Amino acid sequence: DTEVTQTPKHLVMGMTNKKSLKCEQHMGHRAMYWYKQKAKKPPELMFVYSYEKLSINESVPSRFSPECPNSSLLNLHLHALQPEDSALYLCASSHVTKRGINTQYFGPGTRLTVL
Amino acid sequence: SQQGEEDPQALSIQEGENATMNCSYKTSINNLQWYRQNSGRGLVHLILIRSNEREKHSGRLRVTLDTSKKSSSLLITASRAADTASYFCATDASSATNKLIFGTGTLLAVQP
Repeated sequence: DTEVTQTPKHLVMGMTNKKSLKCEQHMGHRAMYWYKQKAKKPPELMFVYSYEKLSINESVPSRFSPECPNSSLLNLHLHALQPEDSALYLCASSHVTKRGINTQYFGPGTRLTVL
Repeated sequence: SQQGEEDPQALSIQEGENATMNCSYKTSINNLQWYRQNSGRGLVHLILIRSNEREKHSGRLRVTLDTSKKSSSLLITASRAADTASYFCATDASSATNKLIFGTGTLLAVQP
């Protein structure tokens, strides 16, 4: 199974809502990532988990809260978002870097709209 | 910003023609990868070239790497309408992390 799945595909939320994005992979990858992507821009890294521990936080606002419950699952909890947070949120996974080789497998993304 | 630059930003060609897109990056690398993204979807890994390689082929894809110029190119030969997508180069930030740095991307449109 070489697939990364993400749910939901689309999400519309108000600025006072709390919601969660979910990501799952069964490739045995021990590194998982959250990216944010605005239209016509490259993905921007938000968080990296390595062996279920947060290893990189790219100075993301605290209204985004990641969680890695086990080696197959990655969540992104959302609270009090702003309209400018509307974007495509991509999850990815990979083997932990070995000799600098880090091919990432991406999910289809969650299209988030904040009203 | 460490982000790489790609050119052209957009490219429109006819089916059957070749498409070339270029990537420049700023720091030394262990490897460089190319990814494709269909509109509104996730990225798909296409090919990886290591820093000690100069050229690599995979099907209709040819990638070159010039580490002295910190640049790479992706050639898609005999393009098809299904090749219409955005293409991003990505470099590893360091071998100590799993972080990739993506280029700005090239939007390729292949007209049938």
